[in-house]
Amino acid sequence: EVQLLESGGGLVQPGGSLRVSCAASGFTFSSYAMTWVRQAPGKGLEWVSAISGSGTATYYADSVKGRFTISRDNSKNTLYLQMNSLRAEDTAVYYCGADTVTVGYYGVDVWGQGTTVTVSS
Amino acid sequence: DIQMTQSPSSLSASVGDRVTVTCRASQSISNYLNWYQQKPGKAPKLLIYAASSLQSVVPSRFSGSGSGTDFTLTISSLQPEDFATYYCQQTYSSPRTFGQGTKVEIK
Repeated sequence: EVQLLESGGGLVQPGGSLRVSCAASGFTFSSYAMTWVRQAPGKGLEWVSAISGSGTATYYADSVKGRFTISRDNSKNTLYLQMNSLRAEDTAVYYCGADTVTVGYYGVDVWGQGTTVTVSS
Repeated sequence: DIQMTQSPSSLSASVGDRVTVTCRASQSISNYLNWYQQKPGKAPKLLIYAASSLQSVVPSRFSGSGSGTDFTLTISSLQPEDFATYYCQQTYSSPRTFGQGTKVEIK
């Protein structure tokens, strides 16, 4: 079964750091681009970051550029999002996703269940 | 950055109705347009990619059209399980922005 499982969310103080992870199973992880999307409470979806299958190409939303770093360990079938200098507005459910079918259109067809990040003092 | 604008923001419809949601890009994005459905407390679900390609296991009552700057998601006959929020997303360039969402509610 194709599956993504996020972990690492939690409560962090403003200015703090957190790393969330996404463990993949059931597909050839290294072959596919991966994405992080977040959703603040009661708000819409916000694209955060993406990474190519090899990990050589990374992309970021303006709102997180310079603070967040996306990476992947293909030997561990795991995606990461390192979040530094966290702000209250980063509070959201963070979803990881994989593009396994859309072949260059970067549609996310496989999603994790989400992990909640709360930035508050 | 490319801005994506959906209309309407919400709509009320009855089971069996034909429903249309529109998405407009601030510049041409060719056919790099995906549609998602999201239900409360759940992850989004990919419905359509490349503007008009139906994702597998998605019912054929869903369809997408358009290219350039104007796109449409159509549900030909609304079913009870279709009441949800729908988002468009452009993947022509980074950042791969979403529209603000369209909530489809029961009339």
